[in-house]
Amino acid sequence: EAGVTQFPSHSVIEKGQTVTLRCDPISGHDNLYWYRRVMGKEIKFLLHFVKESKQDESGMPNNRFLAERTGGTYSTLKVQPAELEDSGVYFCASSQVPGQGASLSYNSPLHFGNGTRLTVT
Amino acid sequence: AQKVTQAQTEISVVEKEDVTLDCVYETRDTTYYLFWYKQPPSGELVFLIRRNSFDEQNEISGRYSWNFQKSTSSFNFTITASQVVDSAVYFCALSGRGTASKLTFGTGTRLQVTL
Repeated sequence: EAGVTQFPSHSVIEKGQTVTLRCDPISGHDNLYWYRRVMGKEIKFLLHFVKESKQDESGMPNNRFLAERTGGTYSTLKVQPAELEDSGVYFCASSQVPGQGASLSYNSPLHFGNGTRLTVT
Repeated sequence: AQKVTQAQTEISVVEKEDVTLDCVYETRDTTYYLFWYKQPPSGELVFLIRRNSFDEQNEISGRYSWNFQKSTSSFNFTITASQVVDSAVYFCALSGRGTASKLTFGTGTRLQVTL
């Protein structure tokens, strides 16, 4: 089974430019998440999709960040215009939605991708 | 609010030594989940374990073991007879019930195992 894949693995852009990160979740995983780790700090939640719908985007830092998941398959995260503080590693993760009969409190483990290292200069 | 603290920023051990990575958490939820992830040099986050708050049994998987103590809000991770391949950054994480795996992570502990 292919894991979560992210593209590109690295991106170096100048302040003010636009960058689009892509995530392909594991096939069949309806849950898709974006997380970010700024250098030396904790990994922070950005947002959560269930299929094509945004379930929770409380972690998005500001309106320069736009996430989409058209068709409920892959997702993109666009940063426009990029600022220096946007530098970090952006992780995508996916998980299955619990099936019928599963406990409502069941939390599937997340499967993470390798991340995209974004450097804004 | 939820919080995860990994006080050890970096640990260095010699191969075959045992090492314990500390994790202390804060939450107001009565039902919650604790996780450990490993980030090897290749960059991906590898899931190691999930623990429910109502199951305080310790778990052992090969050279890995986890000690969950609700009384001290800790979920420590021990590697026995460490190996060079264990070198990585290890993250402890917490999620609440019904939050669909929205994880709160600690800052990570970098483990360096040398020969």
